[in-house]
Amino acid sequence: DTGVSQNPRHKITKRGQNVTFRCDPISEHNRLYWYRQTLGQGPEFLTYFQNEAQLEKSRLLSDRFSAERPKGSFSTLEIQRTEQGDSAMYLCASSLKGLGEQYFGPGTRLTVT
Amino acid sequence: KQEVTQIPAALSVPEGENLVLNCSFTDSAIYNLQWFRQDPGKGLTSLLLIQSSQREQTSGRLNASLDKSSGRSTLYIAASQPGDSATYLCAAKSYNTDKLIFGTGTRLQVFP
Repeated sequence: DTGVSQNPRHKITKRGQNVTFRCDPISEHNRLYWYRQTLGQGPEFLTYFQNEAQLEKSRLLSDRFSAERPKGSFSTLEIQRTEQGDSAMYLCASSLKGLGEQYFGPGTRLTVT
Repeated sequence: KQEVTQIPAALSVPEGENLVLNCSFTDSAIYNLQWFRQDPGKGLTSLLLIQSSQREQTSGRLNASLDKSSGRSTLYIAASQPGDSATYLCAAKSYNTDKLIFGTGTRLQVFP
């Protein structure tokens, strides 16, 4: 049983560029979550999916952010026109069912210069 | 709106001590509460999950308790070791949503 995987692990980009992150959940987990964590803070919820359906989005998820889970397996998180304030660790988690225990991946650290 | 706080923000103890980390939440209508460990620059490792119907959960040297009426959870670490050094986060989940609301964590250092 492999855990949640995320790619890339690190991404450095220049302000204004677009970036895309990928998350592969634990197999058979139908719920997938995205969180963002800045230095010294706890993770903040961004959005979550049940299979292909995006069930909830945070107000933190501005129009520049979009997340997809097209086949109900892996998910992508895209940030368009990155800003320095987007620099953070982006964490993905999955769970077997709603309201179940969430298992986190290693995260993607984004640095916007 | 659920808010979660953790005290203390940082803790430094000698090896072998028993210690307690505190987590408070404002909305007592929680579904469950999860404790995580995070090493520097890494993702989160789930330690314990307590359902709202439970009072405590144990795993090895770790024991987590939940008191909904007072809005508190504690994580007890017995016989601390240098390998326990990490940031410990608690997160609450309410009935009407599947998202976790996190505290800011307690950064623990256990020195030999």
